[in-house]
Amino acid sequence: GENVEQHPSTLSVQEGDSAVIKCTYSDSASNYFPWYKQELGKGPQLIIDIRSNVGEKKDQRIAVTLNKTAKHFSLHITETQPEDSAVYFCAASRTGFQKLVFGTGTRLLVSP
Amino acid sequence: GAGVSQTPSNKVTEKGKYVELRCDPISGHTALYWYRQSLGQGPEFLIYFQGTGAADDSGLPNDRFFAVRPEGSVSTLKIQRTERGDSAVYLCASRFKPAGDTEAFFGQGTRLTVV
Repeated sequence: GENVEQHPSTLSVQEGDSAVIKCTYSDSASNYFPWYKQELGKGPQLIIDIRSNVGEKKDQRIAVTLNKTAKHFSLHITETQPEDSAVYFCAASRTGFQKLVFGTGTRLLVSP
Repeated sequence: GAGVSQTPSNKVTEKGKYVELRCDPISGHTALYWYRQSLGQGPEFLIYFQGTGAADDSGLPNDRFFAVRPEGSVSTLKIQRTERGDSAVYLCASRFKPAGDTEAFFGQGTRLTVV
């Protein structure tokens, strides 16, 4: 079955710096890659997603890149702010299969 | 409501007891999912409903776990003879349609503690 690896497990940056989180997946048929942000005591919230027919997607300070050949995708957050501090999860799934397979999460801490 | 609602938010139960966790999906969402999130881990798939039927229950860990969705809306996850290892946050998610490549909306979860 699908396996998603995520790193780093923790990431500390200064406010205004950029943060990059990387994930690799094993199932070459995966075609949907969402990123979720989870704050303490809350459920995961989708922040951006990308499909396999696209190499990059950007939404304001957040961008995701996908390399299908290497089977990895990355989340890029620019101009980080303290409110970006949370746990971020990558996930993968594919058409015809319902479940999302999640990575183990990255705890991002943005210091003022 | 506007989002996926789960009740209770927290549940403490004694080992061996039976518990029910409730999920109220976004109105009109036909696909409903249960995930389990252990401390420091990502959510792990348990079961998926399309309408009233469980289309994929491959993630249920054993036969102590069961879920229903009798009217195609609200779902209940049932755990019999709870064990300390069942302690986790149980998350519910829903999608407007059963497509694996569309956004899944998550509830805030039920934190289950078995003592």
